[in-house]
Amino acid sequence: RKEVEQDPGPFNVPEGATVAFNCTYSNSASQSFFWYRQDCRKEPKLLMSVYSSGNEDGRFTAQLNRASQYISLLIRDSKLSDSATYLCVVNRYSGNTPLVFGKGTRLSVIA
Amino acid sequence: SQTIHQWPATLVQPVGSPLSLECTVEGTSNPNLYWYRQAAGRGLQLLFYSVGIGQISSEVPQNLSASRPQDRQFILSSKKLLLSDSGFYLCAWTSGRLEETQYFGPGTRLLVL
Repeated sequence: RKEVEQDPGPFNVPEGATVAFNCTYSNSASQSFFWYRQDCRKEPKLLMSVYSSGNEDGRFTAQLNRASQYISLLIRDSKLSDSATYLCVVNRYSGNTPLVFGKGTRLSVIA
Repeated sequence: SQTIHQWPATLVQPVGSPLSLECTVEGTSNPNLYWYRQAAGRGLQLLFYSVGIGQISSEVPQNLSASRPQDRQFILSSKKLLLSDSGFYLCAWTSGRLEETQYFGPGTRLLVL
């Protein structure tokens, strides 16, 4: 099983739609979870950290299910500018260790 | 505030030529530093990471090497490039504290011909 698995997409959705991305991770010792966004030919940038209780930032909501080792990202009211690749990221073990990146899910928001 | 620089931004090199990519971080001390490669249409692959000067951990066997001659400088090198070394090379840093976010530089796009 891969360390971090994501549906590669692409997800093609109309403006205003709600879209959800899922991610599973294999290492139950992972403690830190993030969603990054990567635009075409650019570096990944942090979108949001994912906390155990779930967290929301504007139109974006992240959820963590430790029992199922599952992370989700919900985008409401999609904008054209949301078109990008969304990377699910976990740390390998607890504490100060490298992050493991999923291959990403591509989102295209269409007018 | 912290910033991370990479150069060059793009590079076209012949097979068999040497490589040196540089990454520097400003505005922080004793960062953890990372080199990733992203091949076209693929995910990020961690190549090396460093928790201090002269300390390098290698993630995958390859013809690349890394060095950290100064606290905020991380260099990726090769003596002889292969076609398969083409890709998008990204440097990243964290402060080294627990659960700290990783921040990426703008990357170097390398094409080996």
